[in-house]
Amino acid sequence: AQSVSQHNHHVILSEAASLELGCNYSYGGTVNLFWYVQYPGQHLQLLLKYFSGDPLVKGIKGFEAEFIKSKFSFNLRKPSVQWSDTAEYFCAVNRAKTSYDKVIFGPGTSLSVIP
Amino acid sequence: GAVVSQHPSRVICKSGTSVKIECRSLDFQATTMFWYRQFPKKSLMLMATSNEGSKATYEQGVEKDKFLINHASLTLSTLTVTSAHPEDSSFYICSARGAGRETQYFGPGTRLLVL
Repeated sequence: AQSVSQHNHHVILSEAASLELGCNYSYGGTVNLFWYVQYPGQHLQLLLKYFSGDPLVKGIKGFEAEFIKSKFSFNLRKPSVQWSDTAEYFCAVNRAKTSYDKVIFGPGTSLSVIP
Repeated sequence: GAVVSQHPSRVICKSGTSVKIECRSLDFQATTMFWYRQFPKKSLMLMATSNEGSKATYEQGVEKDKFLINHASLTLSTLTVTSAHPEDSSFYICSARGAGRETQYFGPGTRLLVL
């Protein structure tokens, strides 16, 4: 069965610090990978996604993620965080090109950015 | 584009009553809808996957007779929590995906409190 793990449960950073959130998945086939963000009191929003092609994916709000197939990883990065990036971040995966396939979410990483 | 709405956003009910939650895709046809449950400070737990016009597929451990899912049209899916109990109190989130698309779009969630 597919599963997703995220390295950190809670990350605390000062503004302007660099961010890297780890994500690993377990599935041997071709996958789609996602990062979602949930700001306090708001619903899930898609930050970025990887389906195929360039393994370095750029998303909204200055976020990017790199797919490393050999490591089954899809880490999220941002060079300089802002207070407004405080949120819950979820990595997710599903099987590529499979009709109706469900998305499996990681446990989430709570990011707190201190002004 | 790709907006998903949920109604109601909050509901409080007495133990033993049934509650219906609606999930609508506002600007696209959702061939597949997913229902998730999110506990405080936890990740999303997939409850079921519903394809328009067919029976929902429930995840292991989710009671299909308790959580009734209907996906009668390409823009509407409903989740009915039957004979609700306090332990059913949670945040229920739906997501929708269009035909041939690999990205899910999430609704804002419905907070259910059973007294």
